[in-house]
Amino acid sequence: DQQVKQNSPSLSVQEGRISILNCDYTNSMFDYFLWYKKYPAEGPTFLISISSIKDKNEDGRFTVFLNKSAKHLSLHIVPSQPGDSAVYFCAASAKGSQGNLIFGKGTKLSVKP
Amino acid sequence: NAGVMQNPRHLVRRRGQEARLRCSPMKGHSHVYWYRQLPEEGLKFMVYLQKENIIDESGMPKERFSAEFPKEGPSILRIQQVVRGDSAAYFCASSPLGGQSYNEQFFGPGTRLTVL
Repeated sequence: DQQVKQNSPSLSVQEGRISILNCDYTNSMFDYFLWYKKYPAEGPTFLISISSIKDKNEDGRFTVFLNKSAKHLSLHIVPSQPGDSAVYFCAASAKGSQGNLIFGKGTKLSVKP
Repeated sequence: NAGVMQNPRHLVRRRGQEARLRCSPMKGHSHVYWYRQLPEEGLKFMVYLQKENIIDESGMPKERFSAEFPKEGPSILRIQQVVRGDSAAYFCASSPLGGQSYNEQFFGPGTRLTVL
């Protein structure tokens, strides 16, 4: 029973264009969402987060959008750079929880020069 | 300011041996979370600890696995009598504000456990 779903295992984008990574969730108690980037043989690196009281959060080239009614969030990277090539994980934590994160399976982004 | 440190980075054990994985949180962080990642999967929560206390172990297998975070020293994840299915990457994360949903967790590089 996957509570956080990333339905695209991989995504290929041309350098300079926009990358859009999608994430769906099923648990209506989730109130905090995070995106992590992971290179092979390294730990996940925190990128950006959003609380359920917002619908958008922006940090440089990274913007996260939250659509609560659709239980959907997306990460936009613009412009995409070859160094962005990595696996991106969507994660969520639930209101009233101890903060443990529920992760999706990840989307592998390849940015081609 | 050093990040989260984990050692060893790679650990090979034979079936039936014990595995000890260590995690030192970021300076100033007193909340530690352990996660496990199987191949082609996302990270799965195992246990959340504060100094000298296990707060939430709902993700820990009931047998053979234990964790501690003593007053001094790193957090330890211990797996007794390892089996092949324990082969995975084990990640530790620390947070300055654990115990609530609004907290950013910072991950270590992981320990890759291989059971022969």
